[in-house]
Amino acid sequence: QVVQSGAEVKKPGASVNVSCRASGYVFTDYYMHWVRQAPGEGLEWMGWINSKTGDTKYAQTFQGRVTLTRDKSKRTAYMEIMTLRPDDTAVYYCARKSLSESNGYDIWGQGTLVTVSS
Amino acid sequence: SYELTQSPSVSVSPGQTARITCSGHALPTQYAYWYQQKSGQAPLMVIYKDTKRPSGIPARFSGSSSGTTVTLTITGVQAEDEADYYCQSADTSGVYVFGLGTKVTVL
Repeated sequence: QVVQSGAEVKKPGASVNVSCRASGYVFTDYYMHWVRQAPGEGLEWMGWINSKTGDTKYAQTFQGRVTLTRDKSKRTAYMEIMTLRPDDTAVYYCARKSLSESNGYDIWGQGTLVTVSS
Repeated sequence: SYELTQSPSVSVSPGQTARITCSGHALPTQYAYWYQQKSGQAPLMVIYKDTKRPSGIPARFSGSSSGTTVTLTITGVQAEDEADYYCQSADTSGVYVFGLGTKVTVL
């Protein structure tokens, strides 16, 4: 399973760091993808990190404002968003995807609500 | 940027068949995935690699692919299938995208 950190309330211009802790599987056999969902809206793909190598790929929308990292020793992936805006208010999900198989997101985190408000 | 186009909504009576389409120019060469999301819950994968069904997903869910369009079919819809459904795929550079979602309403 993957367990995410708790809800956050931030002011515009601040940064937020959401964590995603994995258990019960070999952490380095999977990518960790990040997906967000604004209130009443659809799913938006943000990016992925290769848990083995640390390589990353971002959606163009988030390039330069989002940083994905991981700590192999803690079996944890992190997603940081800088310079938060009110329209970053959303539920943020992490989801694992196999490095070697195209099997989709078979395990999702429970989601982390990030609220950006002055 | 790459886009996937889904029909916005489908309404179907219990026991009938619901079909949800998703179109994208890279779909002939890139796998599609389908996720079901019920209100207040995290998404759940119902189809991967265009046509494969994960263990635990009922057999009434099936996927197909033809050219630039993939289709999720729910045969014999049940009330519990009422949800939003999203297709997902990637471009050749490893950038993923979701469709805007299709709301399935069971009448």
